[in-house]
Amino acid sequence: DIVMTQTPLSSPVTLGQPASISCRSSQSLVHSDGNTYLSWLQQRPGQPPRLLIYRISNRFSGVPDRFSGSGAGTDFTLKISRVEAEDVGVYYCMQATQLVTFGGGTKVEIK
Amino acid sequence: QVQLVESGGGLVKPGGSLRLSCAASRFTFSDYYMGWIRQAPGKGLEWLTYMNENGNTIYYADSVKGRFTISRDNAENSLFLQMNSLRAEDTAVYYCARGDDATVAGTKRAPLGAFDMWGQGTMVTVSS
Repeated sequence: DIVMTQTPLSSPVTLGQPASISCRSSQSLVHSDGNTYLSWLQQRPGQPPRLLIYRISNRFSGVPDRFSGSGAGTDFTLKISRVEAEDVGVYYCMQATQLVTFGGGTKVEIK
Repeated sequence: QVQLVESGGGLVKPGGSLRLSCAASRFTFSDYYMGWIRQAPGKGLEWLTYMNENGNTIYYADSVKGRFTISRDNAENSLFLQMNSLRAEDTAVYYCARGDDATVAGTKRAPLGAFDMWGQGTMVTVSS
């Protein structure tokens, strides 16, 4: 099974400042079809998860452009260029290259 | 707007059974893979199972294999999760989620490889 490891567990950020979350997989996420199925989800308090980024770096419909994804192989990053109050919540990476596994989550909170 | 509404959660004794439903609307349900994911109280997300658009490809996480069964009724735009032999550690909010668009296959478009729509979830509590 592919294990997804996120760091940090918690990220206190000042409003307007950037935030960065790392996700590392235990094996390469490059699928046999050539695509890398790494996505990022946001879960605001009391809400279901919401898709932000798919296939490493593609923003889903309606997602603000302050969110960006990057990486390749086994190392991936989600960046928020300027954190806003509505960005508070837990962020998860997810791989769907080999079945599905989620990272443990990173809590983004305001300092 | 795409909508997924779960139902069927509740309190059940250890060893008991429960059947969850997920009603889909405002998209062509029969074109999509569908899955179930759960979240124990205060914990992260755990993928459980997914099924392709016509039900002939199904995968399960080891934690539920042999106890849970996913199914769908495309005529009724519904997804189901039959849960048997329930344990205290199955206590969680259960979400249904929309997976890949199967119509992408054979085209130049790549699947998202993600769950792009989620229901609000239904709570399952396993306790004596």
